[in-house]
This record gives sequence, structure tokens and C-alpha cells, in this order.
Amino acid sequence: ELKVEQNPLFLSMQEGKNYTIYCNYSTTSDRLYWYRQDPGKSLESLFVLLSNGAVKQEGRLMASLDTKARLSTLHITAAVHDLSATYFCAVEVRLFTGTASKLTFGTGTRLQVTL
Amino acid sequence: SQTIHQWPATLVQPVGSPLSLECTVEGTSNPNLYWYRQAAGRGLQLLFYSVGIGQISSEVPQNLSASRPQDRQFILSSKKLLLSDSGFYLCAWRWGGGYGYTFGSGTRLTVV
Repeated sequence: ELKVEQNPLFLSMQEGKNYTIYCNYSTTSDRLYWYRQDPGKSLESLFVLLSNGAVKQEGRLMASLDTKARLSTLHITAAVHDLSATYFCAVEVRLFTGTASKLTFGTGTRLQVTL
Repeated sequence: SQTIHQWPATLVQPVGSPLSLECTVEGTSNPNLYWYRQAAGRGLQLLFYSVGIGQISSEVPQNLSASRPQDRQFILSSKKLLLSDSGFYLCAWRWGGGYGYTFGSGTRLTVV
């Protein structure tokens, strides 16, 4: 059974600081997704990482994927209060031969950025 | 462009009552469809997925069922709700030939 572990589960950080969220998974996969969830809301797609070594950046967030280590990171640079949310990684696995697949989510990291 | 609609947004139901949540997708054909549940303060658990009309796969044994009567319609049902069915239910779709999952706005179900 695929396990997807995120750490930390909770992160309190000051504005202006840098930090990294880690996502480890237990089976082979070439695709990894990062989502943001605000309280009471649905999931907002942040990044799709499609291959080993992929790096994507958007604003103060940068995500990377190392499929050999089965590790993805979400790096936050100079955090601002607007980044406060819960962040999920999700690993895509094939369901069977063909194009069907599914996402298995990590436990989530609740990020709180304080002044 | 593709859009996904999910309703209702919130629902309060008594224990033992039936449930029907609906999800529809516009602007695409033959999508892969998914139902996820998020318990309070927890991660997302895949409940059901469907790769075509009438094709439903269940990920976990539970009190719920799913149906796909039309290509772009996915329904989550229960005959008798339990307290443990409370949670935030999210429908998602993915184009079978590509990547990227889009989530609906969710239904918050409270069973009392």
C-alpha cells in the first residue's frame, strides 16, 4: 500500500523566513502534485511535477521532485501571511494498464505565518 | 474551458437518513471521476473512482456507494447515514489522456 508522508504536520513561521516542507512516498511514481487548501475550502492546484529532477516555481513557492529518493520538497521563501494555509502533496499512481490513475494524498502541513 | 460543479455546498442530515451528492463536469468527455472525503483536520481519502459510464471502483469498504449514470455525472449515495460519514466530500476529474486533477468546491456533510 502506498504511503505518503509529509513533515512537518504543523509549521509556524515568521514572516520573511524560509522553510521547506518534505513529502516522502513509498512506491515508484513519476508524477507528484502540490495543492493548497484554505480553511473550509476546496483544493487549489499549485504544482505538477512530471519527472525526476523537475523544479517548478511560482512566487515565493518552489517545488522539486527526486523520484529516485521518492522525495518532493516545497520550499517557501520569505514567507508572508497570505501563505498561511494547509499544503498537501499527492502522488499519482496508475490504476491499471492504460491511462487511468489516482492520487494518494499526504497528511498535509498546516502552515501558519506570523508577523 | 472545463468546469466542475458539485452540490449542495453544505448538508446537515440525521443519522439513518439517505444521502445523494452530485457532481457534474462540463467541457470535456470521458473524464476519470473521483470522490474523496476529508474528515475534520485530516487528509484526503479516495472513496470511489470511475473511468467510464457505469464503471465504479471502491477504494475502501464503507456505508457509501457511487454511480455514474452519464459520462460527466458522478453521484455519491448512502441509504442510511452514520455519524462517521460526516466530513468534507470532494469530487474531482482528470482527463483520461493527460495529467492534472481539478477539484470541485466540495460538500460539507454533518450527520447529527
